[in-house]
Amino acid sequence: EAGVTQFPSHSVIEKGQTVTLRCDPISGHDNLYWYRRVMGKEIKFLLHFVKESKQDESGMPNNRFLAERTGGTYSTLKVQPAELEDSGVYFCASSQELLYAGNQPQHFGDGTRLSIL
Amino acid sequence: RKEVEQDPGPFNVPEGATVAFNCTYSNSASQSFFWYRQDCRKEPKLLMSVYSSGNEDGRFTAQLNRASQYISLLIRDSKLSDSATYLCVVPTQDNYGQNFVFGPGTRLSVLP
Repeated sequence: EAGVTQFPSHSVIEKGQTVTLRCDPISGHDNLYWYRRVMGKEIKFLLHFVKESKQDESGMPNNRFLAERTGGTYSTLKVQPAELEDSGVYFCASSQELLYAGNQPQHFGDGTRLSIL
Repeated sequence: RKEVEQDPGPFNVPEGATVAFNCTYSNSASQSFFWYRQDCRKEPKLLMSVYSSGNEDGRFTAQLNRASQYISLLIRDSKLSDSATYLCVVPTQDNYGQNFVFGPGTRLSVLP
């Protein structure tokens, strides 16, 4: 079974530019999550999709971040315009069960390392 | 108080040693817990799930104390390959498991 895949693995852009991260969850996983780890801090939740719907986006830092999951398969996370404080590692995770998803372990992708110059 | 707190570490132990990490959580309604390990510049990987009082998998034992709201991870007979950061993860209260709350991690270095 293929795991969660993320693209790109590393992105270096200048402040003010736009970047789009992509996540392909494990096939059949309805739950898709985005997390971010900023240097020296713990991993923080950004948002949660159930299929194509945003279940919880309370962790999104501001309106420069836009996540989509059209068709309930892969998801994209766009940052526009990027700011210096957006640098970090963005992880995507997925889990299978729709109900009681809190009891299910999440499987993580390798992450995208985003550097804003 | 942070939602999930962990022993700050780092823990430097010799091969073969037994080491234990603690994790405390603030949400008394949490029902399940996870230990993940994360190698440098890699993604978190599930190590153990804890749903009841504890779980054991080979050299790894996780124990849950709901009354005191802490989870521990015990590693016996440490191997060099156990060197990593260990993340305590607590799902939020909502039954739909909207997100995981991560602890800051405890770094373990197993020395030859």
